[in-house]
Amino acid sequence: NAGVTQTPKFQVLKTGQSMTLQCAQDMNHNSMYWYRQDPGMGLRLIYYSASEGTTDKGEVPNGYNVSRLNKREFSLRLESAAPSQTSVYFCASSEDWPDEQFFGPGTRLTVL
Amino acid sequence: TQLLEQSPQFLSIQEGENLTVYCNSSSVFSSLQWYRQEPGEGPVLLVTVVTGGEVKKLKRLTFQFGDARKDSSLHITAAQPGDTGLYLCAGVSLMNRDDKIIFGKGTRLHILP
Repeated sequence: NAGVTQTPKFQVLKTGQSMTLQCAQDMNHNSMYWYRQDPGMGLRLIYYSASEGTTDKGEVPNGYNVSRLNKREFSLRLESAAPSQTSVYFCASSEDWPDEQFFGPGTRLTVL
Repeated sequence: TQLLEQSPQFLSIQEGENLTVYCNSSSVFSSLQWYRQEPGEGPVLLVTVVTGGEVKKLKRLTFQFGDARKDSSLHITAAQPGDTGLYLCAGVSLMNRDDKIIFGKGTRLHILP
């Protein structure tokens, strides 16, 4: 089992560009999450999907959209990237909301 | 706004020493999770504590949940270089329809050989 996988691992964007971060899990988990991690700020929840077909805002949702494509996949989209979105993004999954989470390896995003 | 304060922010000690890190809040949590994160990787769950006053041991790591379920501590005995990493606590709050999960900012631990 691969657990939680994320692509890409690194990305550099220019201000105003769009991109989608992909996440997939093979543990048959119901819940999936997107976090961002910034120095001195810890992990902050952007959006989560408690179960397939539902999504909810977390602490810092502005500038992001998500899609729970199916039970395995949960994508995060930046429609118009801004320098303030430079961060490391982690996807996570858990059996149910809000159980113990399994994290992916992260995507390091830089917006110039 | 619910907050989880972790202390200390940074800790650098010699191999073989003991240490305790703390996770405090003014809010009550249904459960509290501890994670360890190494550079370039995602956090990995160490333990979940659920009952007030609960103590869990994981080899040289001892986790305690406060009686009032507002705070938790992680004690490491005879620290080793492999314990180096960022330790994160996460509080789970289940309040009617306002379920939340909140992470502290972490304690960065460095064990010197």
